[in-house]
Amino acid sequence: TQLLEQSPQFLSIQEGENLTVYCNSSSVFSSLQWYRQEPGEGPVLLVTVVTGGEVKKLKRLTFQFGDARKDSSLHITAAQPGDTGLYLCAGPSSNTGNQFYFGTGTSLTVIP
Amino acid sequence: EPEVTQTPSHQVTQMGQEVILRCVPISNHLYFYWYRQILGQKVEFLVSFYNNEISEKSEIFDDQFSVERPDGSNFTLKIRSTKLEDSAMYFCASSRDRGYEQYFGPGTRLTVT
Repeated sequence: TQLLEQSPQFLSIQEGENLTVYCNSSSVFSSLQWYRQEPGEGPVLLVTVVTGGEVKKLKRLTFQFGDARKDSSLHITAAQPGDTGLYLCAGPSSNTGNQFYFGTGTSLTVIP
Repeated sequence: EPEVTQTPSHQVTQMGQEVILRCVPISNHLYFYWYRQILGQKVEFLVSFYNNEISEKSEIFDDQFSVERPDGSNFTLKIRSTKLEDSAMYFCASSRDRGYEQYFGPGTRLTVT
């Protein structure tokens, strides 16, 4: 099993603030995906990072993959109420790639 | 934009009954997956499927579970004899390639009473 730990577990911030959430593992991943999940719905893919040190931007969201490919971070600039949701990281198993491991999630609430 | 669809959105069943959850993956995807998420807990991998056979399964996926691709579009998860602890959201996902990014359906909420 390749564990993915996310922190913080819960985050409540005011609209306009910046925040960073983390996804850490002791295992190397060939790639990591970030998803956002709304209550009662399926995870929606935000981005995939593949190369160690890679940085990807999606509007106000910046994703970084650690140099050693064991961790990743998501930074949100000027958070808006629409950013509220559960943020999940996930990655494929290193041996076969047929199984995906999900992180514990960060529940973000942006207060207007 | 292509998407994964799942039916039904909500299924209520009695303990011991069989249920079949249905999914239509994205049409040009070759790898299919089932996950479950118990309320308040993390998303857990159940099984992956490729080329009409299971490629990997987790410890959760015991003999009570089976998957099938009965035709060119549907992908099903069958639970033979449901237990109370099977109550969860079940998500289907598909991907173009092994280890590649996955796209999830909206889920089926299974309630076992």
